[in-house]
Amino acid sequence: SQTIHQWPATLVQPVGSPLSLECTVEGTSNPNLYWYRQAAGRGLQLLFYSVGIGQISSEVPQNLSASRPQDRQFILSSKKLLLSDSGFYLCAWGLNHMDRGVQYFGPGTRLTVL
Amino acid sequence: AQSVTQLDSQVPVFEEAPVELRCNYSSSVSVYLFWYVQYPNQGLQLLLKYLSGSTLVKGINGFEAEFNKSQTSFHLRKPSVHISDTAEYFCAVSLFLYNFNKFYFGSGTKLNVKP
Repeated sequence: SQTIHQWPATLVQPVGSPLSLECTVEGTSNPNLYWYRQAAGRGLQLLFYSVGIGQISSEVPQNLSASRPQDRQFILSSKKLLLSDSGFYLCAWGLNHMDRGVQYFGPGTRLTVL
Repeated sequence: AQSVTQLDSQVPVFEEAPVELRCNYSSSVSVYLFWYVQYPNQGLQLLLKYLSGSTLVKGINGFEAEFNKSQTSFHLRKPSVHISDTAEYFCAVSLFLYNFNKFYFGSGTKLNVKP
């Protein structure tokens, strides 16, 4: 069976510090990978998606970047965090040929920028 | 363009009562429909999905939803809720682009089940 991991679970960082959040998927190959942000009281905003190693697409211009160094690893980064980067970050995976690409979510990372 | 509207941001209900969480969508093409549930400080868990076929779909935890194409709705229902159903529920539609499925999520409905 497939599993998705995210770490860290929680993170408190000062403004201007760097960020690295990691997401890994087990039990599948060549998944589509997604990063979402969920701000307090709001829905999910798609930040990045990837259809393969080294292939990253950004949905919105922002202070964040993403990378996919391995097939089942997806990393979200920032060089200098802003207060507005606080939120709950969710990684998800899906396969085009499985259940019309239904997305399965990781446990999330709660980021607080002070 | 695709969009999803969840008409109620919060729904309070007493335990063992029925509940309906409303979802309407707009799309110029055929889409697939989903409901997810999120418990506090956790990721989203798939409740049910409509891909094709019967318009009444059953999911986990006793939930079901009905796809109504003419009304562009996909309302979620449960005949008798439990305290453990307290969570936030998200409706979503997916659109297959040339190489991936893009999901559009509603803003969520918080279900608060009271004893």
